[in-house]
Amino acid sequence: AQRVTQPEKLLSVFKGAPVELKCNYSYSGSPELFWYVQYSRQRLQLLLRHISRESIKGFTADLNKGETSFHLKKPFAQEEDSAMYYCALSGLGTDKLIFGTGTRLQVFP
Amino acid sequence: NAGVTQTPKFRVLKTGQSMTLLCAQDMNHEYMYWYRQDPGMGLRLIHYSVGEGTTAKGEVPDGYNVSRLKKQNFLLGLESAAPSQTSVYFCASRRLGQAGGANVLTFGAGSRLTVL
Repeated sequence: AQRVTQPEKLLSVFKGAPVELKCNYSYSGSPELFWYVQYSRQRLQLLLRHISRESIKGFTADLNKGETSFHLKKPFAQEEDSAMYYCALSGLGTDKLIFGTGTRLQVFP
Repeated sequence: NAGVTQTPKFRVLKTGQSMTLLCAQDMNHEYMYWYRQDPGMGLRLIHYSVGEGTTAKGEVPDGYNVSRLKKQNFLLGLESAAPSQTSVYFCASRRLGQAGGANVLTFGAGSRLTVL
């Protein structure tokens, strides 16, 4: 079965501080991992995916298959990063995308 | 392009009433999904469809029915609404992708349903 765990409901930091949003997954096959973000009064949208190995808005995430983790990191948080972040998992060749419970990031000035 | 459009945006129901949420996409996507979003629970998959005329159960299908009569539309029905179905409902769609992370969901704006 697919399962995504985001242990933190709320993460509060000051502007300029490093940020790490944790995500662990459980899946027996070959996983595809994503981070989605929902800014206030906006639609849920893709932030990044592990297969692209890209940096979006300063965020990066590395898939660690040994630790079954896909943590989202940013070295210097900005106020505009305040949002709800969801980690999501899809198994290669499957049809479903399963989301974690989400972490609300608050960045204070 | 409108992308994914959900109607209605807001609805208040009484316990036992029925209603249908409509999701329409104009991107010719094969896959469509219905999720519900609840505080502390994140997004949970209700039902999904991999093509016209096909539907499948997700994580929390009980109390809901769906239909995909046309490729561009995916309907979510509540036959007898219950207060536990008070939630924000999101529809999403994606194209038939290739292996390697090419599949990305496009979401609608959400429909807020309150059951009294």
